This record gives sequence, structure tokens and C-alpha cells, in this order.
Amino acid sequence: DAKTTQPNSMESNEEEPVHLPCNHSTISGTDYIHWYRQLPSQGPEYVIHGLTSNVNNRMASLAIAEDRKSSTLILHRATLRDAAVYYCILSIDSGGSNYKLTFGKGTLLTVNP
Amino acid sequence: EAQVTQNPRYLITVTGKKLTVTCSQNMNHEYMSWYRQDPGLGLRQIYYSMNVEVTDKGDVPEGYKVSRKEKRNFPLILESPSPNQTSLYFCASSRYRRLTGEQYFGPGTRLTVT
Repeated sequence: DAKTTQPNSMESNEEEPVHLPCNHSTISGTDYIHWYRQLPSQGPEYVIHGLTSNVNNRMASLAIAEDRKSSTLILHRATLRDAAVYYCILSIDSGGSNYKLTFGKGTLLTVNP
Repeated sequence: EAQVTQNPRYLITVTGKKLTVTCSQNMNHEYMSWYRQDPGLGLRQIYYSMNVEVTDKGDVPEGYKVSRKEKRNFPLILESPSPNQTSLYFCASSRYRRLTGEQYFGPGTRLTVT
């Protein structure tokens, strides 16, 4: 599976924007970029996904580099409830077979009040 | 409310005693999957199901069985649990078979095998 690289941890202050980077230099043309987060003692939660264009939803924005070798998850105003492990995942289009998400170690985001 | 439920949430058992962890989703999703999460190893897929009566192995299927007799349910069966199956288990479902949509995860089942 294509690999992603994320910082182990990041820190932010409440109500400030947070930019979480992800490198995926071996991404192929049909790989989607997904972001999930896992709050303490909970299951992973979908955040956002994209292919080539930048994406926005109610939770976050996803900025994808033009060469698609990196992406950034943007939380516009961090809250204490955003403290979680954030996973950047590439999903590989294998022609309709297994839909598997391969989770790495992710980035532990700490939000300071 | 759209959700994936798992039962039990916590289970302590002994080696060799068969157990079943249930998973149910109320979103009419075709795709369902089981993962286990271990420190330092992340989440790894155990089994998945593309639809009723269609199941297949993920990355770490040894020691596990699954069944998909109804669309909403996808139980995980440990016929003879061993201590190396002590882990945090998550069930997930998705409307999409392909990799273009989101997966919904259950709250997790923490299993300890002594």
C-alpha cells in the first residue's frame, strides 16, 4: 500500500487554525486521500477525503498539492474537542475489491485552552 | 440516528472459550469490515464483507471467523481465543464498495483473553 508520513504530534491553541501535514510521495493517480480522527476511547471518525481538488466540509478543509505528493488537513478554529489522533490514509482503487483503510500511526493533536 | 453498534463493549475471557462479538448497522450499508487495533501496530483489517453471504479475509484473519447472513449484522467469532487476540476491535460499515466514501466505525470492543 502507498505510504503516508505524518508528524508524531502537534500542538495548537484553542480557537486558532491548525494545519496538519501529510506526505504521500508514492501516491498513484487513482488513490484517494482520506483523513480520519480518533478521539480518546472512541472509534475512528471520518473527517474528509479528496482526489485532486481542495475539499471543504463542515468539519475541515483538505488542501491537496498540485503534484498530489502531499496534503494538509485544516481545522479552521480548533476546539478542545478536536484533540485526537489524526490519520492520513490513501485508499487504493483496486477495481471494486476490498475497501480497506490502512491506518498508520497518525498525528496526536493537543489543543491547549 | 445512523450508527454502528458493537456488543459487548468490554469482555474478559479465558483461553479456548468461544465468543462472539456482534456488530450491527442501521444505514443499509453493503460493505462491513472488522479491524483490530494494537499499540504500535495501528488498525489492521481482519475480515470484510461486500454484501450478504460475501465475506473475505483481510490482513490478519487467523483465529477469526465471520458471517453475513443479514445486511445489517456482521458478527466476529473467535472459536478458540488465545492471549494474542487481546486487542481493541472495531467494526465499520460503508455505503460504498469502492474507496471513494467514508467508513463509519463502531465504538469498539476491548477484549482480554487470559
